Amino acid sequence: EPEVTQTPSHQVTQMGQEVILRCVPISNHLYFYWYRQILGQKVEFLVSFYNNEISEKSEIFDDQFSVERPDGSNFTLKIRSTKLEDSAMYFCASSPGQGARQPQHFGDGTRLSIL
Amino acid sequence: EDQVTQSPEALRLQEGESSSLNCSYTVSGLRGLFWYRQDPGKGPEFLFTLYSAGEEKEKERLKATLTKKESFLHITAPKPEDSATYLCAAHGAGSYQLTFGKGTKLSVIP
Repeated sequence: EPEVTQTPSHQVTQMGQEVILRCVPISNHLYFYWYRQILGQKVEFLVSFYNNEISEKSEIFDDQFSVERPDGSNFTLKIRSTKLEDSAMYFCASSPGQGARQPQHFGDGTRLSIL
Repeated sequence: EDQVTQSPEALRLQEGESSSLNCSYTVSGLRGLFWYRQDPGKGPEFLFTLYSAGEEKEKERLKATLTKKESFLHITAPKPEDSATYLCAAHGAGSYQLTFGKGTKLSVIP
């Protein structure tokens, strides 16, 4: 069964450094998402992306964050200058279309640890 | 603001002991109510979508139901392999995002 793959599984970075998290969505999916989950808290929406544009973003997704689809298969999340509070599990998801009848499928996440 | 609340936070069952997990939601123009399963160190795995009050979906020992304010995930005769965190998420009108609850951590003891 096709799946969303994320790399690396664990990333350790010094505070203030830039980090790029990578995702390969399911191949025929058109909508891409990033969520994060701070330890012990809810999964929180960050951003959705379609047709090379951000379609929706949350308050968390400030100017320190950016997303890109650099080629036909990868989808990346960049955090420009990491803070301690960015430590979390980051999940990539994709869906074939938009709306509730097109469920989002998630990868296994990247654990980001900021020192 | 859309909100999803799940209860209980944790549930321990003996193998074969049926029970229900609750998800209450306040969502503007609900378009779909999703249930996901999450194993430790893994991402959420899609189980069901429910679209309207009165709808039911089943998969093996799991049955999800929906009312105008709540959804229930009923687990019948659970097995140890059903142990996981079960997440409820809502999709509201005019939005791309899922709003998640905190989840219920289910432990099934042999």
